[in-house]
Amino acid sequence: DAGVIQSPRHEVTEMGQEVTLRCKPISGHDYLFWYRQTMMRGLELLIYFNNNVPIDDSGMPEDRFSAKMPNASFSTLKIQPSEPRDSAVYFCASSLSQVEAFFGQGTRLTVV
Amino acid sequence: AQKITQTQPGMFVQEKEAVTLDCTYDTSDPSYGLFWYKQPSSGEMIFLIYQGSYDQQNATEGRYSLNFQKARKSANLVISASQLGDSAMYFCAMREFYNQGGKLIFGQGTELSVKP
Repeated sequence: DAGVIQSPRHEVTEMGQEVTLRCKPISGHDYLFWYRQTMMRGLELLIYFNNNVPIDDSGMPEDRFSAKMPNASFSTLKIQPSEPRDSAVYFCASSLSQVEAFFGQGTRLTVV
Repeated sequence: AQKITQTQPGMFVQEKEAVTLDCTYDTSDPSYGLFWYKQPSSGEMIFLIYQGSYDQQNATEGRYSLNFQKARKSANLVISASQLGDSAMYFCAMREFYNQGGKLIFGQGTELSVKP
């Protein structure tokens, strides 16, 4: 397996634009996590899914953020409209139940 | 309330020496797992070691061992014989399985620098 695949690796966008981050989890994994990493706030859990169902989205900072998992092999994190304070590295991770999560390479988002 | 606490923002260790990175956690979940990840300057998150709450023995993986003290709610990472390549950020993480449905959260991290 190629591991967790995130795209794009880098994204630069203007304030107010819509941004969509994509994630393909490892085949067979039933958990998918979205994290945001910044120097100030560390690694924050935004939302996670189990069997494609969102379990906890309490970490989603605002209504501007939304995430979907339409099937077991794909998830998106959307920010609309984007703001400069959304600039961060966004990680997707997947796992089987009760074991370690494997991370993608991350998407570095810059909002100017 | 912080559920994972790493009190050492930065640590230095001499090459070939052992180093302990501290982690304490807070949970009332009867079933949970504790993890350590390494993040080098290149940015990827690398899984190192896992300890389940019911495991009787401390976990070991090569030069990594996890000093699990359940009553004290601590899960310290011990790296033996440090190498220059060990310089990185290290994150402690916890998954709560019974009450939190497998949620995985991270501490603030400890930056380890290995001196030659």
